[in-house]
Amino acid sequence: SAVISQKPSRDICQRGTSLTIQCQVDSQVTMMFWYRQQPGQSLTLIATANQGSEATYESGFVIDKFPISRPNLTFSTLTVSNMSPEDSSIYLCSAQDRYNYGYTFGSGTRLTVV
Amino acid sequence: AQSVTQPDIHITVSEGASLELRCNYSYGATPYLFWYVQSPGQGLQLLLKYFSGDTLVQGIKGFEAEFKRSQSSFNLRKPSVHWSDAAEYFCAVVYNNNDMRFGAGTRLTVKP
Repeated sequence: SAVISQKPSRDICQRGTSLTIQCQVDSQVTMMFWYRQQPGQSLTLIATANQGSEATYESGFVIDKFPISRPNLTFSTLTVSNMSPEDSSIYLCSAQDRYNYGYTFGSGTRLTVV
Repeated sequence: AQSVTQPDIHITVSEGASLELRCNYSYGATPYLFWYVQSPGQGLQLLLKYFSGDTLVQGIKGFEAEFKRSQSSFNLRKPSVHWSDAAEYFCAVVYNNNDMRFGAGTRLTVKP
């Protein structure tokens, strides 16, 4: 299965600033996904990122707040913009392995906004 | 809407007892089905998955799950729970559009 390196693993940020989270996959993958896990909650899909096209956002998430890049088949970034304390969550990326339909997850970014 | 339901928010079992965690999905077609475990402060670990074929799936750490089409269920089981199994368990589904959707999770507490 693919292996994902996600960074940073954690950060504490001031409100009003932005943070970019990176995910690097060790093999080419067609689909990548970004999730948010609020404290004590399940994972909620933010958007699907396919190389060569704009990300597809789920209801309640907008590009201005969570811009996503997918420049190639092994890399993606999620930016959390103009942060507020309500954005404090764990953010995870995921990739679909094109060969065995497996889904791999990054280790997550624990974001605290103060 | 495509969704997955975990009816039990929190379950407590005694160490050595059997365990069953429930998962139901709602959709006409059979999705791909997954169970993940998340220990506090840790990432997600895949326990097992079902795509097709034998409806009883064996996973890691002694877990198994059974797909029942008639009940739209994919319940996770373990015959004898260990204290180290205490964690949050997530059922997840993948439908035709390929994105994975998670249930709300079930928190497992293991009593000594």
